[in-house]
Amino acid sequence: DTGVSQNPRHKITKRGQNVTFRCDPISEHNRLYWYRQTLGQGPEFLTYFQNEAQLEKSRLLSDRFSAERPKGSFSTLEIQRTEQGDSAMYLCASSKPLAGELFFGEGSRLTVL
Amino acid sequence: GNSVTQMEGPVTLSEEAFLTINCTYTATGYPSLFWYVQYPGEGLQLLLKATKADDKGSNKGFEATYRKETTSFHLEKGSVQVSDSAVYFCALIIGAGSYQLTFGKGTKLSVIP
Repeated sequence: DTGVSQNPRHKITKRGQNVTFRCDPISEHNRLYWYRQTLGQGPEFLTYFQNEAQLEKSRLLSDRFSAERPKGSFSTLEIQRTEQGDSAMYLCASSKPLAGELFFGEGSRLTVL
Repeated sequence: GNSVTQMEGPVTLSEEAFLTINCTYTATGYPSLFWYVQYPGEGLQLLLKATKADDKGSNKGFEATYRKETTSFHLEKGSVQVSDSAVYFCALIIGAGSYQLTFGKGTKLSVIP
């Protein structure tokens, strides 16, 4: 039983570049979540998918951010024209419906220079 | 809105000491409560949970009781070990079908031999 997998684990980029993160959830989980965690803070909700449908987006998710889950399996989170304020750990989680328990990946750390 | 407040860290304890990490919450509905733990270099893991008032969640020697009257969910362990060194996050979710966990800022625990 593999857990939630995220790639890349660490990305360093220059301001203004685009970056993309990938998340592979636990296979039988149809819910997938993206959270962002900055230093010294708890994770903050970004967006949520049920199967391939993106059902909720936080106001934290500006127009430069886009998330997809095209076949209801893996998901991608793209950040366009990165800014230094985007530097954070991007966490992916998955769950079964109504289970309440989220299973988190190890995260993808973004550093914008 | 919903929020979670945790005691600020870092907390440093000697091995076999008693641990308490305070957590209080405000919620617009009737929440389920969670403690997540993040070991160095790893993803968030669910430690324990409680879904209704007076429930006690327990795991790996850790316990927390859902106190509706004081809106609290304090984490306790009678005898900590070096391997318990980690960051602990209190979190809540409203409703069985909900998808948005609200986290506290986290409390870093260091246990020294």
